Amino acid sequence: DTAVSQTPKYLVTQMGNDKSIKCEQNLGHDTMYWYKQDSKKFLKIMFSYNNKELIINETVPNRFSPKSPDKAHLNLHINSLELGDSAVYFCASSRTGQGNEQYFGPGTRLTVT
Amino acid sequence: DAKTTQPTSMDCAEGRAANLPCNHSTISGNEYVYWYRQIHSQGPQYIIHGLKNNETNEMASLIITEDRKSSTLILPHATLRDTAVYYCIVRGVSSNTGKLIFGQGTTLQVKP
Repeated sequence: DTAVSQTPKYLVTQMGNDKSIKCEQNLGHDTMYWYKQDSKKFLKIMFSYNNKELIINETVPNRFSPKSPDKAHLNLHINSLELGDSAVYFCASSRTGQGNEQYFGPGTRLTVT
Repeated sequence: DAKTTQPTSMDCAEGRAANLPCNHSTISGNEYVYWYRQIHSQGPQYIIHGLKNNETNEMASLIITEDRKSSTLILPHATLRDTAVYYCIVRGVSSNTGKLIFGQGTTLQVKP
């Protein structure tokens, strides 16, 4: 069973479109994250949700809006896509508390043309 | 969270131990050292973490110097599947956000 899953795995779309990436975890964790890995391979945190509440928002444009319908899901909606949004987006989850490792999904490669 | 410094790349022969160093000279007393790795095109994978004492699990060993200013991740018998980018991350115990700050990491190439 996949612990953290993301859909779709690949997403190709045109500038200006609105798209969503879905993330689900079956680990019973109460904290979920979105990370972005750009073309230079740097991984950077975007958002973190704990028990459906936003606790990290790392200066991400407000075109990006995370939505957590329940503790097992954290979806990423992106409006008015731009070329610079092309990247690999990773979802992760963990238990709340110190020293708890994060489990990452397989990633979604977004290409904006 | 303290900054870490790692070599950009390393090679290791298959079957030999891979020793990956990390400097974290500004680490404070309540900060943990974490190691993750990212195999090509996959999501990062947790390996191990520690505070003061050396730690070992089924994947690796973590050796932390007594002054805590550096650490070494040891893969005891490297295989080709261990080829990956290895990230050393320092995170405060008081940090309740869970945020991981990834640097450039060390690209480990395991060669036959």
